Amino acid sequence: GAGVSQSPRYKVAKRGQDVALRCDPISGHVSLFWYQQALGQGPEFLTYFQNEAQLDKSGLPSDRFFAERPEGSVSTLKIQRTQQEDSAVYLCASSLLDQTGNTIYFGEGSWLTVV
Amino acid sequence: AQKITQTQPGMFVQEKEAVTLDCTYDTSDPSYGLFWYKQPSSGEMIFLIYQGSYDQQNATEGRYSLNFQKARKSANLVISASQLGDSAMYFCAMREGTGNQFYFGTGTSLTVIP
Repeated sequence: GAGVSQSPRYKVAKRGQDVALRCDPISGHVSLFWYQQALGQGPEFLTYFQNEAQLDKSGLPSDRFFAERPEGSVSTLKIQRTQQEDSAVYLCASSLLDQTGNTIYFGEGSWLTVV
Repeated sequence: AQKITQTQPGMFVQEKEAVTLDCTYDTSDPSYGLFWYKQPSSGEMIFLIYQGSYDQQNATEGRYSLNFQKARKSANLVISASQLGDSAMYFCAMREGTGNQFYFGTGTSLTVIP
């Protein structure tokens, strides 16, 4: 497809379960971002990749969160031992080049509910 | 300090009228970009408009325009001729220099009334 694709769209996980969220960015986009959006809030930065290199992971809330992009295209955000506070929408975004004026294009998000 | 402040949690506008959504920002970086996104109930963040800190003119994209007042550090979004499909959350965002992060505000919920 032409846009950023995320799967699954909806995920219900039991507390303590591991989850993996997939992002397929726009073809040719070098930069890839993960954001977390809690209910009623704006997106919060989690991590950033340039090609396969994870250049910034300062927003990851704990060591239970792990992201990878091994071949510089598809990315996976993994959350281990999920907790209720992890419930949020996880948004993936990509952009063509790492310049100020380049906007980032978002996917529809993966809605995670931890019960 | 908040990088992006949106002080209007909710706004209502009559169909076909214009509406202004407020956004102020805080940065000491002389180079930055300001963005507006629309988020309908489906969840996707849709890019609307961009303004660079060095741009001399206000950005416009169809019915969207950005009222950029650099000295006041404000970047308000103006939607002209509102349509029912404009009902959504609107987020203002900023990127500093070549930084990796986009900083988002808390959003404004816009409801267009028929």
